[in-house]
Amino acid sequence: QQQVKQSPQSLIVQKGGISIINCAYENTAFDYFPWYQQFPGKGPALLIAIRPDVSEKKEGRFTISFNKSAKQFSLHIMDSQPGDSATYFCAADRRNSGNTPLVFGKGTRLSVIA
Amino acid sequence: NAGVTQTPKFRVLKTGQSMTLLCAQDMNHEYMYWYRQDPGMGLRLIHYSVGEGTTAKGEVPDGYNVSRLKKQNFLLGLESAAPSQTSVYFCASGSRGTGVNTEAFFGQGTRLTVV
Repeated sequence: QQQVKQSPQSLIVQKGGISIINCAYENTAFDYFPWYQQFPGKGPALLIAIRPDVSEKKEGRFTISFNKSAKQFSLHIMDSQPGDSATYFCAADRRNSGNTPLVFGKGTRLSVIA
Repeated sequence: NAGVTQTPKFRVLKTGQSMTLLCAQDMNHEYMYWYRQDPGMGLRLIHYSVGEGTTAKGEVPDGYNVSRLKKQNFLLGLESAAPSQTSVYFCASGSRGTGVNTEAFFGQGTRLTVV
């Protein structure tokens, strides 16, 4: 059973538009929700993360919105640029449990076209 | 500061051959992970380690073995390679625990083709 469900699988956005990627989880023990960005030929790298005690976190053009009651969180990329074209992974973590690894969604391939 | 280094970056194997992928980190992280990435499947955890001398199975462990003899190294072995193991393999390391930045740092990946 997939613990973190991510959608859409692929996304095409016009330059300057808003990119939105959604994730949902089932396990209420998750207490940390990072997003990773991966460029072709590279390993994923942490982009932004949120804890469930806040509903939104913004870093530059990137914003995470978190809905604890719905067990959903999303990544919004404002003013999307061609340089944002990459694969994005949401993830969930149980930091308080100690030894369990990050659980990743299946990824969203974003293409920003001019 | 090298971070997480994977060796080799590319490899072609014949079915039935064996090989070892090496991951080295210089950040003194306790946790290390091996993932495989396949189109449409995301990152799937193969094995992981929470400290020197310990290993645990992930989501897709069959056909792989691992060892963590030194804190900074995590080895992934394929004893008898199969075409289904054609993939891009990523190693990651990180720290864990409440109040600790649990970011996972990834290597550049190893592209393995089994023919």
